[in-house]
Amino acid sequence: SQQGEEDPQALSIQEGENATMNCSYKTSINNLQWYRQNSGRGLVHLILIRSNEREKHSGRLRVTLDTSKKSSSLLITASRAADTASYFCATDSGGYNKLIFGAGTRLAVHP
Amino acid sequence: EAEVAQSPRYKITEKSQAVAFWCDPISGHATLYWYRQILGQGPELLVQFQDESVVDDSQLPKDRFSAERLKGVDSTLKIQPAELGDSAMYLCASSFGTSGRTGNEQFFGPGTRLTVL
Repeated sequence: SQQGEEDPQALSIQEGENATMNCSYKTSINNLQWYRQNSGRGLVHLILIRSNEREKHSGRLRVTLDTSKKSSSLLITASRAADTASYFCATDSGGYNKLIFGAGTRLAVHP
Repeated sequence: EAEVAQSPRYKITEKSQAVAFWCDPISGHATLYWYRQILGQGPELLVQFQDESVVDDSQLPKDRFSAERLKGVDSTLKIQPAELGDSAMYLCASSFGTSGRTGNEQFFGPGTRLTVL
C-alpha cells in the first residue's frame, strides 16, 4: 500500500523555471524524505525533513512540511535539463526506518 | 564512493521458472531492504533485514518469494515459481540504521529489471 500521493503526476517545464511537487499522506509521521529516480535507475536520496521541522533547504531544493495538513512540497529552483527524473516522497511512520513511497511525479525539463 | 551492488541488472525468464537476485549493501550498513517497483509506481517494500534478522516481511508473497541474509552482509531474493505479474524492477537498498532508530536515508542499488514471459 502507498501512503503518499504526489501531485501532479507529471510536470513539464522549461529550463530556468521553478518546479513544485506536492505530497500528501494519511498517517502521522516521524519524518518525510524525497528521492529522485532517473529513468530505469535506482533512487537517490535528496532531503529528509523531520516532523518537528517546517522547512529545509539543500542547494536548489526547498522542502516544506505541514503536519496539520499532512502535506509536503518540494521546490526545485532554476531547473536544468539534468533535473529530468521522477521524484518520490516517502514517509517514515514507525520503527525500523520503514519507508512508504508515493507514486511519484515525473518531471521533464526542456532545454 | 561506496555503492549498493546488485546483480544481474536484467533478467528474462519464463513463468514457472526460478529466479534469484543478489545484493551487496554498503559496508557497515546494518539494515537492508528489498523493494519491488512496478512501472509507473513507487517502490513497495518486500522485506527488511536488521543484520541477519527479518524485521518486516509483511508484503512478501511467502508462497513464492524468499529472502535471506545469512551473515548479515549480502542478501539474496528468490522467486519460485515466477509468474507473469512478477515483472518489475527489484531494488535493494541499505541504511546505517540500528533497530528502532528512524530518520536514516536509504541508499539504493541500480536494480534488477525482471521480465517474465
